[in-house]
Amino acid sequence: DTAVSQTPKYLVTQMGNDKSIKCEQNLGHDTMYWYKQDSKKFLKIMFSYNNKELIINETVPNRFSPKSPDKAHLNLHINSLELGDSAVYFCASSQGGVTGELFFGEGSRLTVL
Amino acid sequence: GDSVTQMEGPVTLSEEACLTINCTYTATGYPSLFWYVQYPGEGLQLLLKATKADDKGSNKGFEATYRKETTSFHLEKGSVQVSDSAVYFCALSDRGSTLGRLYFGRGTQLTVWP
Repeated sequence: DTAVSQTPKYLVTQMGNDKSIKCEQNLGHDTMYWYKQDSKKFLKIMFSYNNKELIINETVPNRFSPKSPDKAHLNLHINSLELGDSAVYFCASSQGGVTGELFFGEGSRLTVL
Repeated sequence: GDSVTQMEGPVTLSEEACLTINCTYTATGYPSLFWYVQYPGEGLQLLLKATKADDKGSNKGFEATYRKETTSFHLEKGSVQVSDSAVYFCALSDRGSTLGRLYFGRGTQLTVWP
C-alpha cells in the first residue's frame, strides 16, 4: 500500500491550459503539503493544510489553488499554465508538526510546452 | 528567518570512499534537524534526524551530529556504496512551530562509481 500517492505521475500540456494533480495519503495524518522542486532540485513549500484548513500559503500565484475535501486528500489545480510552472510537484503529509517528519509522494512531473 | 545551507554538488566518489556533506543552519529557536534522501525517480524519504544539541542521528551507515556551537549537522558515511547514489537534503524544523514546516537546503547530488 502506497502511503502517499499522487496522480498523474507525468503531465505534459500546453501553455494556457488548466490542470490538476491529486494526492491521497492513507497514514491517518492530519497535515498535508505541496512542494515544488525545480530543475536544480530546489524544494520550496507552496501550501500546507491541517485538517482541511489552509495554514501555509507561500506567495504562490493565484493561478495555483489547493483544495482539501477531507484530511486524507489534497489536490492542486493550476490555471493558465506558464512555462515556468514546469517542475516536479511533491505532495507530503505529517502527523501534527512537532517532529517535522514528512512523508512524500513520488512526485508529479509537469511539463508545460 | 530560518534557513539551511549545504555544500553544493555534485559529489562523485568511488565505492568504499568516505563521505561528508556539510550542512549549517540558521534558526531563531531550537530546531530539529534532518537529512532526507531522494533516490532517482522517487520522492524524498527521511534518512535520519536529531532533535536536540549533541544528539546523533544514524541510519544505513550514515551519521550526523547536531552541533549547536557550530550550527552544523554534517552527514557522514565511512564507506559509500553504489546504491547510495542519490540527492541528499539537509532540513530543519522549528520546534516552536506546530505546522511541521521544513526548511530544505538546496540538495547535494552524490554519485558513487563501482
